[in-house]
Amino acid sequence: QKEVEQNSGPLSVPEGAIASLNCTYSDRGSQSFFWYRQYSGKSPELIMSIYSNGDKEDGRFTAQLNKASQYVSLLIRDSQPSDSATYLCAVVYAGGYNKLIFGAGTRLAVHP
Amino acid sequence: DTAVSQTPKYLVTQMGNDKSIKCEQNLGHDTMYWYKQDSKKFLKIMFSYNNKELIINETVPNRFSPKSPDKAHLNLHINSLELGDSAVYFCASSQEAGKGFYGYTFGSGTRLTVV
Repeated sequence: QKEVEQNSGPLSVPEGAIASLNCTYSDRGSQSFFWYRQYSGKSPELIMSIYSNGDKEDGRFTAQLNKASQYVSLLIRDSQPSDSATYLCAVVYAGGYNKLIFGAGTRLAVHP
Repeated sequence: DTAVSQTPKYLVTQMGNDKSIKCEQNLGHDTMYWYKQDSKKFLKIMFSYNNKELIINETVPNRFSPKSPDKAHLNLHINSLELGDSAVYFCASSQEAGKGFYGYTFGSGTRLTVV
């Protein structure tokens, strides 16, 4: 079983729509969760972190966490073509040392 | 500019050669990492150093040897390069757990191509 699972996509949404990206993880002891955005040929860029159950909003981005279901999601409201990228879910390994385990990423395509 | 910087950005070399990648961060972070991103874009941790001490050493061939001369620098030396080593290698840094952990800052990556 993969430690962090994401649907590889591509997820195609029209401009202005809400994009919903999902992630499940296997380590029940994980406490910290991150979403990174990676444009083609570029490095991953941190866009959201979440540590407690519930929702966390930052501009057009909302991260959602449900530790009981071992589920993290990222909502992007009013999607723009510039949001087209691969979104990586990352989970801190509960064994310590701040080791981030990444999912394989979901490719998002926002079309005008 | 405060950042994590890696050199070189591109590296093309023949099988069997030895090469090094350098990384430097001026963010004042205590921990540095090497990740490998394969052709399917999967990011996998290789090594981590905290204040010059090796703390994570994943199942990586011993042809790969990291070195951290100080907490701001982490280098990766690869011996006897193989075709399967072709990938993008990312350096990253973070604060240690006691000071709060807010994720990694990544360098721009080194695209290694072994021919």
